[in-house]
Amino acid sequence: NAGVTQTPKFRILKIGQSMTLQCTQDMNHNYMYWYRQDPGMGLKLIYYSVGAGITDKGEVPNGYNVSRSTTEDFPLRLELAAPSQTSVYFCASSNTGGGYTFGSGTRLTVV
Amino acid sequence: AQSVTQPDIHITVSEGASLELRCNYSYGATPYLFWYVQSPGQGLQLLLKYFSGDTLVQGIKGFEAEFKRSQSSFNLRKPSVHWSDAAEYFCAVGAGPEYGNKLVFGAGTILRVKS
Repeated sequence: NAGVTQTPKFRILKIGQSMTLQCTQDMNHNYMYWYRQDPGMGLKLIYYSVGAGITDKGEVPNGYNVSRSTTEDFPLRLELAAPSQTSVYFCASSNTGGGYTFGSGTRLTVV
Repeated sequence: AQSVTQPDIHITVSEGASLELRCNYSYGATPYLFWYVQSPGQGLQLLLKYFSGDTLVQGIKGFEAEFKRSQSSFNLRKPSVHWSDAAEYFCAVGAGPEYGNKLVFGAGTILRVKS
């Protein structure tokens, strides 16, 4: 049982480049989330989804986009990368009312 | 809107000593409350959760937490700390599945264990 799988684990982008962070879960969870973690700031919600075909913005959505075409996959797209997007990104999933299962994270540096 | 405050950025305890990590939340209704632990370079792991019922909840690795509505607190405790407990701990509050099961996290408390 893999849980939540994120790829890549590390990535360096140049300013203005784009990329997609992949997230897959195999627990048949309806709810999925993308958070970013910055030192001393905790985790901030970027986007979330309550089921396939349904997505909504979180606290810090600017500069990001998501899609949820299947229950398993919830990719996060960065368009026109900026230094402010340097962060560690975590994908998570949950069932109704349950705690989250987190992926191992993607460390992104924009230079 | 929900919010979480973890007043202590760093805490250092001796191995074998007791531990209490503080968490205060702001939310108008009955909250969903969680504690997570993060080891360096890893994702977050769920320690315990509170939805309703008994206000003292037991979690994994010997941790427990007590929900005190009057104080808007959900402090994490452990009777005897082990060196392997050194990590960062996050408290989180949510409004439940009807609100997307979204969580708001505190800024975290880094626990150091000295031998």
